Amino acid sequence: DTAVSQTPKYLVTQMGNDKSIKCEQNLGHDTMYWYKQDSKKFLKIMFSYNNKELIINETVPNRFSPKSPDKAHLNLHINSLELGDSAVYFCASSQRTQTQYFGPGTRLLVL
Amino acid sequence: GENVEQHPSTLSVQEGDSAVIKCTYSDSASNYFPWYKQELGKGPQLIIDIRSNVGEKKDQRIAVTLNKTAKHFSLHITETQPEDSAVYFCAASENEKLTFGTGTRLTIIP
Repeated sequence: DTAVSQTPKYLVTQMGNDKSIKCEQNLGHDTMYWYKQDSKKFLKIMFSYNNKELIINETVPNRFSPKSPDKAHLNLHINSLELGDSAVYFCASSQRTQTQYFGPGTRLLVL
Repeated sequence: GENVEQHPSTLSVQEGDSAVIKCTYSDSASNYFPWYKQELGKGPQLIIDIRSNVGEKKDQRIAVTLNKTAKHFSLHITETQPEDSAVYFCAASENEKLTFGTGTRLTIIP
């Protein structure tokens, strides 16, 4: 059984487009996260939701908007995509301050 | 905010030898220190973690040590095997927010 899943795995799109990445966890966790991993492999948190409530919102352009329809899902919508948005985006989940479990990643390439 | 430094950035060791990766953190309030392994094309996977009330933790060939006074922690892998080749990340957190180190690319030479 997949614990944290993301779709799509790969996303290639043109500059200026709007796209969404979906994340689901079946671990029963109440906290979910979005991370961005750049080309140098640096991992940085973007957002965190606890029970559908935003609790961490790092310095991220407001073109990025997370949405949590329920505590098992956290989606990431990106407006007006830019070349610099190309990266791997990871979703993760945890039970409050416990271990974070990561999804397989979504590789976004903006052309 | 928290700042985590990780060294070395690359490490090559002969199969069977030990590997050590070191991290330092800046926020004395941090109390949770996980280590993640990331294989090519996959998400980071937790391999071991330690909390600030413990100085050392071991799980088979993997061990982590924590020095709260000096604010540094280390990952030790003994009897390295080819499947240990990956990128390893340390991290530190006080609450839900993990701050990651910059990663160490470990290569095991057969």
